[in-house]
Amino acid sequence: GESVGLHLPTLSVQEGDNSIINCAYSNSASDYFIWYKQESGKGPQFIIDIRSNMDKRQGQRVTVLLNKTVKHLSLQIAATQPGDSAVYFCAENNDSYDKVIFGPGTSLSVIP
Amino acid sequence: DADVTQTPRNRITKTGKRIMLECSQTKGHDRMYWYRQDPGLGLRLIYYSFDVKDINKGEISDGYSVSRQAQAKFSLSLESAIPNQTALYFCATSPGQAYTYEQYFGPGTRLTVT
Repeated sequence: GESVGLHLPTLSVQEGDNSIINCAYSNSASDYFIWYKQESGKGPQFIIDIRSNMDKRQGQRVTVLLNKTVKHLSLQIAATQPGDSAVYFCAENNDSYDKVIFGPGTSLSVIP
Repeated sequence: DADVTQTPRNRITKTGKRIMLECSQTKGHDRMYWYRQDPGLGLRLIYYSFDVKDINKGEISDGYSVSRQAQAKFSLSLESAIPNQTALYFCATSPGQAYTYEQYFGPGTRLTVT
């Protein structure tokens, strides 16, 4: 069935280290993937996206990698800061409308 | 000022009561969405609207209804609230362009049904 999931529900990282958050998707027809960040008490906020014709995209301190062969998506955060502590969701678009399916989320905790 | 606002931010109600959650946006987007968030389940789509005359059911629409009063307003109603509708509810908007699916979320409404 169609699903988007994350390998780990929680992740703890030392401040200054790099973080890697993983995501697996099951629908090979999905062509657009998004990472959202949700801080406590707030709605999800767009971080970065990637289309299926790319395998890597970089933003400010973040990089998203897409491996279509194994249907795997990852979000890398460089030099993780306390402000990066949040729940991170991957999401996929898998039909002709702009509906997205969200994974369950990974909670990132940054240790000072 | 926030681009997507939701009212109320918190609500406690009793089983069987009718509840309306409201969403307003100043982004000028045609597309609006209602999601619910439960621990460990991510966000699930309840209803979505591509314009004022277009309303569509999402994956969990049973027990909910919506109204798109204007481009900027999209409300979610629970006709007869039940305890398993206790959740965090988010409204979102997105541009109508086909090449982007980024969604902009409101701050959420925490609903508790006792």
